[in-house]
Amino acid sequence: AQSVAQPEDQVKVAEGNPLTVKCTYSVSGNPYLFWYVQYPNRGLQFLLKYITGDNLVKGSYGFEAEFNKSQTSFHLKKPSALVSDSALYFCAVRDMGAGGFKTIFGAGTRLFVKA
Amino acid sequence: DVKVTQSSRYLVKRTGEKVFLECVQDMDHENMFWYRQDPGLGLRLIYFSYDVKMKEKGDIPEGYSVSREKKERFSLILESASTNQTSMYLCASSPRGLNEKLLFGSGTQLSVL
Repeated sequence: AQSVAQPEDQVKVAEGNPLTVKCTYSVSGNPYLFWYVQYPNRGLQFLLKYITGDNLVKGSYGFEAEFNKSQTSFHLKKPSALVSDSALYFCAVRDMGAGGFKTIFGAGTRLFVKA
Repeated sequence: DVKVTQSSRYLVKRTGEKVFLECVQDMDHENMFWYRQDPGLGLRLIYFSYDVKMKEKGDIPEGYSVSREKKERFSLILESASTNQTSMYLCASSPRGLNEKLLFGSGTQLSVL
C-alpha cells in the first residue's frame, strides 16, 4: 500500500524567508502525489500535484513542490513566506483500492509564519 | 459554483445514538469519500465509494457504515455512537482517474457525549 510521511509536526519561519514543508513517500510503481492546505476555519483545498514530467511542480498561492525520486521526497516550498500562509498542510498519495482510486494523507504539518 | 455540501457544521449526540452524516456533490463525480480528522493523526479514510451502491473500506471502518443510493449523495452512519467517535468528519469527491484531486466539504464537527 502507498503511504506518505510528514516528519515535522510544525514549521516556523519568519515572513519573507523561504519555507519548506517536508514529505516522503513509499509507493510501488509510479507515485501520484498531492499537497493540500487547510486554512483556519476553512475546508481543505488542493494546492498542487505531481503526476509525471518536470520534477518542479508549481501550484496555487506561489507554492511549488520538488519531486525527488532517489530520495522519495516531495517537499513543498515557497521562496518568500507570508503571514497568510500560516495553515495546516497535508501531503497525500493516490492509491488503488479494489474498485477505485483513493487518497491517503499524511499526519499534517502546521506552518507558522511570524511577521 | 461546484461544491460538496455537508448537511451539518456542528452536531452533538449522545452515546448509543444512531447518527447520520450526509454529503451531497453537484459535480457528477464517481468517487466519494469519508475521512475523519483528529489532531496529530491527519486525515484517516473511513470508507469510500467508487460508484452507486459500491463501497470499499478505508483504514478505520469499525463502528461506521455508509450508503450510496444515488450518485450525488454519500451518507456516513454511526451505528451506535461512542465518545471516541468525537471528531471532525470530512466528505470529499473526485472524478474517477488516478491523477484527480479531491474536492472537500466544509466538515462536520461531531461531539458524542
